[in-house]
Amino acid sequence: DAGVTQSPTHLIKTRGQQVTLRCSPKSGHDTVSWYQQALGQGPQFIFQYYEEEERQRGNFPDRFSGHQFPNYSSELNVNALLLGDSALYLCASSAGQGFFNEKLFFGSGTQLSVL
Amino acid sequence: SQQGEEDPQALSIQEGENATMNCSYKTSINNLQWYRQNSGRGLVHLILIRSNEREKHSGRLRVTLDTSKKSSSLLITASRAADTASYFCATVTYSGAGSYQLTFGKGTKLSVIP
Repeated sequence: DAGVTQSPTHLIKTRGQQVTLRCSPKSGHDTVSWYQQALGQGPQFIFQYYEEEERQRGNFPDRFSGHQFPNYSSELNVNALLLGDSALYLCASSAGQGFFNEKLFFGSGTQLSVL
Repeated sequence: SQQGEEDPQALSIQEGENATMNCSYKTSINNLQWYRQNSGRGLVHLILIRSNEREKHSGRLRVTLDTSKKSSSLLITASRAADTASYFCATVTYSGAGSYQLTFGKGTKLSVIP
């Protein structure tokens, strides 16, 4: 049973560019959440997708957008990259929109470096 | 913003000793969860304690929750070198319209010396 998978593992971009990160949830899970983790900090909630719609959003600008596909996989897009966007991006999956009452399963993350 | 604050920020102990990490939070919670992260990679869920529970055990882990003090502690008994990792508490709070928010603290970095 595959867990949460994320791609790519590492990514290097320059300021102003756009990036797309991908996530496949754990089998049987239909809810995907994205987190940003800066070095030495805890993960910060970006947004949550359920039934192909953004259901909740954290305090992130519109440059951060996402998508969920019918197979529950998800993408995170970041436009007009800034140096401060350099971080580990984590995807987490769970079953059902009420997932906050249950544990999250995390992928290994995508390390994004913006130069 | 981060609701939970772990204490200490870093902890170094000898193998076999117990490790205690604390988490304080600010608002009423639905539940509180502890996660572990190795070397800046994905987080692994350790234990979930609901707001009406006071203590929970899982193997060598013991979590307590004191809602009156808005605090929780994670105890790892008989620590092993493999327990070296960062540990995060995450609080679940109701954010309205049937939705909940999961907010992580900054974590405690635990080093277990063989």
